[in-house]
Amino acid sequence: GNSVTQMQGQVTLSEEEFLFINCTYSTTGYPTLFWYVQYPGEGPQLLLKVTTANNKGSSRGFEATYDKGTTSFHLQKASVQESDSAVYYCVLAHDSGYNKLTFGKGTVLLVSP
Amino acid sequence: GGIITQTPKFLIGQEGQKLTLKCQQNFNHDTMYWYRQDSGKGLRLIYYSITENDLQKGDLSEGYDASREKKSSFSLTVTSAQKNEMAVFLCASSMGGGAETLYFGSGTRLTVL
Repeated sequence: GNSVTQMQGQVTLSEEEFLFINCTYSTTGYPTLFWYVQYPGEGPQLLLKVTTANNKGSSRGFEATYDKGTTSFHLQKASVQESDSAVYYCVLAHDSGYNKLTFGKGTVLLVSP
Repeated sequence: GGIITQTPKFLIGQEGQKLTLKCQQNFNHDTMYWYRQDSGKGLRLIYYSITENDLQKGDLSEGYDASREKKSSFSLTVTSAQKNEMAVFLCASSMGGGAETLYFGSGTRLTVL
């Protein structure tokens, strides 16, 4: 079946530190991969999206690269800010069907000033 | 841009009660979704609708009903609230199917006493 694994339940950093959030997936075919971010009191919002055509996405200083060999889609940022504190979801769209999104369990990022 | 409005923001009910959550969008999107968010479990799809008067079951539809009487609105009914149930229900919309960006509301937090 289709699955998304985020092993880190919580990541705690200080401002300006490097962020790495792990995401691996399992599926067949050529998925589209997303990172959504959810700030306190809000719904999730799209952070970035990557297809097999472009392999890499970036937005607001965040980057993620789709690696078919290791089936990974890790999220990185060189220097975090306190305002980046949020929950980050790795999401897999494994075909064009309407209900074909699989969400990871989410990683809580806490950034202290 | 558009917005998704969910009402109420907080909903407290009694065990066995039927409870209705409402969602409105002004994106003019065709597809709307209801997700349930539990701490540490990611998002799970309850129902979705690809057009007015259409309803499709997700992975978690048991115990819920939905209604899409207009393109702009999508309601969810908890048919019999379970004691000690606590979750956030998120409504979302998208232009089309699985690889399209989802736009979420800020959620309804349900508590059952």
